[in-house]
Amino acid sequence: GAVVSQHPSRVICKSGTSVKIECRSLDFQATTMFWYRQFPKQSLMLMATSNEGSKATYEQGVEKDKFLINHASLTLSTLTVTSAHPEDSSFYICSARHTDLYGYTFGSGTRLTVV
Amino acid sequence: AQTVTQSQPEMSVQEAETVTLSCTYDTSESDYYLFWYKQPPSRQMILVIRQEAYKQQNATENRFSVNFQKAAKSFSLKISDSQLGDAAMYFCAYRTDYNQGGKLIFGQGTELSVKP
Repeated sequence: GAVVSQHPSRVICKSGTSVKIECRSLDFQATTMFWYRQFPKQSLMLMATSNEGSKATYEQGVEKDKFLINHASLTLSTLTVTSAHPEDSSFYICSARHTDLYGYTFGSGTRLTVV
Repeated sequence: AQTVTQSQPEMSVQEAETVTLSCTYDTSESDYYLFWYKQPPSRQMILVIRQEAYKQQNATENRFSVNFQKAAKSFSLKISDSQLGDAAMYFCAYRTDYNQGGKLIFGQGTELSVKP
């Protein structure tokens, strides 16, 4: 079946530094990937849609300069949290849409802690 | 804009019993997809079931079935013969039209506990 690998699973960084999260589709090509943020016991909030070879589309209220998204190949999308602050601490999940347009596979998530 | 509402923050069921999780949505589209996802403590999102709006027949996957009422914009999930492994957060999701990005919009979630 379709597998999406997300790394790292956990990361702790110092306030003011940047951290990169990778989302890779292992056995299928994903022209579109999505990035979500999830707080404990809450829903998944869509941050942005990542399209291969083009600029990401950000949801209203999401800072484009803070959350940099790059989708340089059909199998890899990255989310970089720049100048991280403690309030950026959260669980980040990526999802890749299948080529049939109706299936979605999720990564296992990244727990980011900014200290 | 489409919205998804899950009005039950928490539900509990006895092992081997049946439980129904509620979901309503709002949309002006006529053709769309609806999903139920399970998120266990590992936080890995797992697809439970999918329903195409143009299909009148309710989707079924083993112990999981849905009651899709298109006119009422309701999409409930029924879990039969509940097992301890069913304990998790359950999210209802709506897929927007492809022209709007084909993205998933999630409800608030329902935390299901299963009592032995």
